Amino acid sequence: AQRVTQPEKLLSVFKGAPVELKCNYSYSGSPELFWYVQYSRQRLQLLLRHISRESIKGFTADLNKGETSFHLKKPFAQEEDSAMYYCAPNNDMRFGAGTRLTVKP
Amino acid sequence: DAGITQSPRHKVTETGTPVTLRCHQTENHRYMYWYRQDPGHGLRLIHYSYGVKDTDKGEVSDGYSVSRSKTEDFLLTLESATSSQTSVYFCAISESTSGLSSYNEQFFGPGTRLTVL
Repeated sequence: AQRVTQPEKLLSVFKGAPVELKCNYSYSGSPELFWYVQYSRQRLQLLLRHISRESIKGFTADLNKGETSFHLKKPFAQEEDSAMYYCAPNNDMRFGAGTRLTVKP
Repeated sequence: DAGITQSPRHKVTETGTPVTLRCHQTENHRYMYWYRQDPGHGLRLIHYSYGVKDTDKGEVSDGYSVSRSKTEDFLLTLESATSSQTSVYFCAISESTSGLSSYNEQFFGPGTRLTVL
């Protein structure tokens, strides 16, 4: 099965600090990966997909085939970024365990 | 929000009772999914459907059954609820999956919080 691993269950940073949420995948081929986000009291929603290479809400993620990673990054975290973040492969429906990001004022 | 609703939104039940959760979509998407969300485990797939009357098991399917008699409805049934099934249940839909399209973004419902006492 295609697997993704999010090694950090909790991540806390201060406002304005850089943030990186880690995601590693363990399958070969041409992985296609997504990041989903769940803000408090809201539905899960797609944040970004690697194939589009666009930046959403200041977040970017680069697929690194050498390191088999798809880490989510933002140079300056904001309090409204506090949420649950899930990495997911495109075609296996198995989400990572998620990372809860807290951005402190 | 995509046209996905879940009912009920909250339910408290007792161990051993049957429970049915409903997911309804108005997007005419082919694929529908049921997940449970638990702290430390993230989202785990219970069952999914790739068409009317076509369903398959996910990674945590024991104790759950599903049915899809219409494109728009996907039912999740706990035949005899147990306390370990206390969770938040999410329904999701997508237009396609691997082999058909690279863009199988999933759209999620609002969730159902189920408590089994």
